[in-house]
Amino acid sequence: QKEVEQNSGPLSVPEGAIASLNCTYSDRGSQSFFWYRQYSGKSPELIMSIYSNGDKEDGRFTAQLNKASQYVSLLIRDSQPSDSATYLCAVFQAGTALIFGKGTTLSVSS
Amino acid sequence: NAGVTQTPKFRILKIGQSMTLQCTQDMNHNYMYWYRQDPGMGLKLIYYSVGAGITDKGEVPNGYNVSRSTTEDFPLRLELAAPSQTSVYFCATQGQGGGYTDTQYFGPGTRLTVL
Repeated sequence: QKEVEQNSGPLSVPEGAIASLNCTYSDRGSQSFFWYRQYSGKSPELIMSIYSNGDKEDGRFTAQLNKASQYVSLLIRDSQPSDSATYLCAVFQAGTALIFGKGTTLSVSS
Repeated sequence: NAGVTQTPKFRILKIGQSMTLQCTQDMNHNYMYWYRQDPGMGLKLIYYSVGAGITDKGEVPNGYNVSRSTTEDFPLRLELAAPSQTSVYFCATQGQGGGYTDTQYFGPGTRLTVL
């Protein structure tokens, strides 16, 4: 069973802090990795994608990928209350579809 | 450009009833997906389609059926609804190739309760 694991949280950080969200996956053949944000009662929306080892930055968001360790993370700098949501890690495996983790709930307090 | 639309937004079914969840996209995407999301859980793939006339099972297909007669529409059919099918259902589409760099775009979801 190919799996994507996330700590369900909740992860609580104060406004302005760095939030660190982690994800591990079981299939070494996984090709691409995505972070989706989901507000309560809404559909998931893509915030970051990463395909190569290393870091990828987009504004306050940084995705980090380590294929050897089968680990992908998302850092949110200068966290804002509007970042409070559930963050879903998703892994794409050729021939199938996206496999989602259960999500980590982030709460940013002002 | 509406993107991905789903109807209905909410529905309550009685055990044993049937219904069809509608999904329509105007993005000309070949790949379409149906997921379900139970409370506190991630999304689980029910069925997917790589183009008109082609469908395949995902992780949790039992109790559901799909068809794909056009590029735009990918309806999900529930036969003999059971309480275990109470969930939020999301339809999603993916770009032309369905490749590993393509973003999936989600519809707003259908919240289904089976009593």
